[in-house]
Amino acid sequence: DAMVIQNPRYQVTQFGKPVTLSCSQTLNHNVMYWYQQKSSQAPKLLFHYYDKDFNNEADTPDNFQSRRPNTSFCFLDIRSPGLGDAAMYLCATSRPDRDHNEQFFGPGTRLTVL
Amino acid sequence: GQNIDQPTEMTATEGAIVQINCTYQTSGFNGLFWYQQHAGEAPTFLSYNVLDGLEEKGRFSSFLSRSKGYSYLLLKELQMKDSASYLCAVRSFNKFYFGSGTKLNVKP
Repeated sequence: DAMVIQNPRYQVTQFGKPVTLSCSQTLNHNVMYWYQQKSSQAPKLLFHYYDKDFNNEADTPDNFQSRRPNTSFCFLDIRSPGLGDAAMYLCATSRPDRDHNEQFFGPGTRLTVL
Repeated sequence: GQNIDQPTEMTATEGAIVQINCTYQTSGFNGLFWYQQHAGEAPTFLSYNVLDGLEEKGRFSSFLSRSKGYSYLLLKELQMKDSASYLCAVRSFNKFYFGSGTKLNVKP
C-alpha cells in the first residue's frame, strides 16, 4: 500500500543533543511537509518542499533544519533540542495536480526531551 | 496572518447528529478540509470543499460558505468510535493552515 512512513515513532533525546527524524513516502508526491503539534493544539507548519524547493515558515526557529535528498525522503534535524521542542512531529505529503490535493499524513514521531 | 477558529470541545450522544463549526480568515483560499484525529495518531482526511454548498459522504457532510468564511462538519448517527478531534484546515496555495481542533466526546 502506498503510504507515508515516519521513523522512529518515539524518540527520546537529551537537552541540547541533536536529533534527526525521518519521513519516507511511496506516493510519489511532489510536496512534503513537516508539522509540529503540541497537545490540544493545531499542527504548526514548520516548512515544506515543493520538489527540491525549500519553503521555510517565517516563525520556524533556526534550530530546525530540513533536508530532502530525493522525492521519497525528507528529514527534520533539530540541532539543539530544548524542553519546549517536545511534541509530535508530523510529516505529510500532497500532490497539487490531484483534484482535492489533500494531505496524507504519516503516523508521527513523538519527541521527548529530557 | 491566518486565523482559523473552532470550538474547543463538544459532547453528543451516540446515535445523534452533531455539527462542528469552523470560521476562517486567510490570505488565500484554495479549499477547506476536515480531518479526524484520534489521540496520539495522525490526522486522516474526511472531506473537502472548494465551492459553496454541501458535500455529502456517508455519515459525514461538510458545508462551505466562502463569502462568510464559514464551514461546518455534520456527523450523523454518531458512534462511539467518532470520539476524536476534528480539525478544520484551509489550503492557501501549497500551504495548509489548521485550526486547533474540536474534541468530540460521544457518550452512550
